Amino acid sequence: GENVEQHPSTLSVQEGDSAVIKCTYSDSASNYFPWYKQELGKRPQLIIDIRSNVGEKKDQRIAVTLNKTAKHFSLHITETQPEDSAVYFCAVTGTASKLTFGTGTRLQVTL
Amino acid sequence: EAGVAQSPRYKIIEKRQSVAFWCNPISGHATLYWYQQILGQGPKLLIQFQNNGVVDDSQLPKDRFSAERLKGVDSTLKIQPAKLEDSAVYLCASSSAGISYYNEQFFGPGTRLTVL
Repeated sequence: GENVEQHPSTLSVQEGDSAVIKCTYSDSASNYFPWYKQELGKRPQLIIDIRSNVGEKKDQRIAVTLNKTAKHFSLHITETQPEDSAVYFCAVTGTASKLTFGTGTRLQVTL
Repeated sequence: EAGVAQSPRYKIIEKRQSVAFWCNPISGHATLYWYQQILGQGPKLLIQFQNNGVVDDSQLPKDRFSAERLKGVDSTLKIQPAKLEDSAVYLCASSSAGISYYNEQFFGPGTRLTVL
């Protein structure tokens, strides 16, 4: 089955700095790559996604890049704010829309 | 639109007892998922329904877990008997897409299960 690795497991940045989280996957047939944000005790919420026919996608301070050849994709958050503090999960889907999640990155934005 | 509803929100049971969780997906969503999220880990898919049929249950421990989605709407997930390692948050999600095309999954608030 699909194997998704996510790094780093924890990330601490100062407010205003950028944060980058990386994921690698194993199944070359994977075609959809969402990122979820999960605040403590709350449900995962989609923040951005990218499909396999696109190399980069931006939404205000958030961007995702995809390298299909190397089978990795990254989440970039610029100008981080305290409310960005949460756990971020990458996910991958291939056939039958089955999502496989990464292990999560706990992002802490300090003042 | 109303979101995915789950109940109960919290459940504490002793090992070897039984427990059931309920999920009501977003109206019109054909695909329903149950995930298990152990503390500090990402959600793990247990079972996926397309309408009232099972698409994927390869990671469902079938000796103790069962799930059904009668009439293609609400779903229940049951654990019988529970083990200590079943302590987790059980998340239900739904999606409007079929299995041939992926679309956003909307998650419910989850049920936090503690097995003592």
